[in-house]
Amino acid sequence: EPEVTQTPSHQVTQMGQEVILRCVPISNHLYFYWYRQILGQKVEFLVSFYNNEISEKSEIFDDQFSVERPDGSNFTLKIRSTKLEDSAMYFCASSDWGDTQYFGPGTRLTVL
Amino acid sequence: QKEVEQDPGPLSVPEGAIVSLNCTYSNSAFQYFMWYRQYSRKGPELLMYTYSSGNKEDGRFTAQVDKSSKYISLFIRDSQPSDSATYLCAMRTRMDSSYKLIFGSGTRLLVRP
Repeated sequence: EPEVTQTPSHQVTQMGQEVILRCVPISNHLYFYWYRQILGQKVEFLVSFYNNEISEKSEIFDDQFSVERPDGSNFTLKIRSTKLEDSAMYFCASSDWGDTQYFGPGTRLTVL
Repeated sequence: QKEVEQDPGPLSVPEGAIVSLNCTYSNSAFQYFMWYRQYSRKGPELLMYTYSSGNKEDGRFTAQVDKSSKYISLFIRDSQPSDSATYLCAMRTRMDSSYKLIFGSGTRLLVRP
């Protein structure tokens, strides 16, 4: 069964450093998303991406964040200068026409 | 008022029990409703998806939507210890072209052997 994969599973970084989180969505899907979940809190929408552009972003997704689909398979989330409060689980998701979103296993980001 | 409210639990039941999990929402524009299961430190796993009022059944799971009351439920029959997880409701509007999901905070379920 096709699935969304994410790498790395755990990323530890120093405050102020740049990180890139990687995702491989399900191959025939057209819509891509990033969500995050701070420990003990709800899953929050960050950004949606369709047709090689951002279709919506949340207030959390400020200028420090960017997304890219550099080739036909990968979808990345970059945080330019990490802050302590960026520590969270980051989930990538994909869907075909937006109806059902399938989530990856997540990347746990720890900012020291 | 939060957009989506969900009792965090934990809800502890004996094996074989019928479990009822619920969410309420305030935004009448929500038209599509999902239930996800999340094991500790894992990604949400889609269980049920529905967009109409009424019931939808899939194996031991039944999703129920009451749009007039802004209330959705997930029923699990013959619960198993492997059902122990956090259950997240999620929903989105019909008009939202980004398809972003709004999640509840999750209900932690423990099924005792």
